[in-house]
Amino acid sequence: EVQLVESGRGWVQPGGSLRLSCEASGLTFSTYAMSWVRQAPGKGLEWVSAISGSGSVTYYADSVKGRFTISRDNSKNTLYLQMNSLRVEDTAVYYCAVNCSGGSCWDNWGQGTLVTVSS
Amino acid sequence: QSALTQPASVSGSPGQSITISCTGTSNDVGGYNYVSWYQQHPGKAPQLMIFDVNKRPSGVSDRFSGSKSGNTASLTISGLQAEDEADYYCCTYAGGVTWLFGGGTKLTVL
Repeated sequence: EVQLVESGRGWVQPGGSLRLSCEASGLTFSTYAMSWVRQAPGKGLEWVSAISGSGSVTYYADSVKGRFTISRDNSKNTLYLQMNSLRVEDTAVYYCAVNCSGGSCWDNWGQGTLVTVSS
Repeated sequence: QSALTQPASVSGSPGQSITISCTGTSNDVGGYNYVSWYQQHPGKAPQLMIFDVNKRPSGVSDRFSGSKSGNTASLTISGLQAEDEADYYCCTYAGGVTWLFGGGTKLTVL
């Protein structure tokens, strides 16, 4: 059974930084692309970023490009999201998710971690 | 790129069938056969129900089916059950390695 456990939740002021982690188990981590998807309170889902299995290729939504950095440590089965220059509109539950084999969907999700950006 | 368009809410009685639409453009829904659907119960993580327009992951009931015509994708749930009450989101690959979600549809089982 695949398990994804996010950590790093917290409150930060606008302009601040936060790093999220997602530890995976139950899968050969390095063979799967991974993504972060967020959900603002009471709102819908938004894809944020993705990374290839090796970590050599990364992708970002326009809304976070230049501010967020996705990375992974395959030796630790862990995915990261470094979030800088945070804005109020980045407030959301952040989910890590495993990309489907074909890459077109996410078939396993973490429980989510709440990030609050507020002064 | 704008979010895909879904109805805000749909409802049905137990045993009935409902369909949720998801409308995009020729650059996203209409351009790729990579539409997926997610079920989300309150306070829970999303769960994949349909991928690649009409494929079901193992473990998902065959009461759930997906289709696409032009720029509109659809999720149909037949034989509605109380546990189907949830929010449903469509998603599509939109080129340039980006994905778009719909705004979500709240399904109420009457």
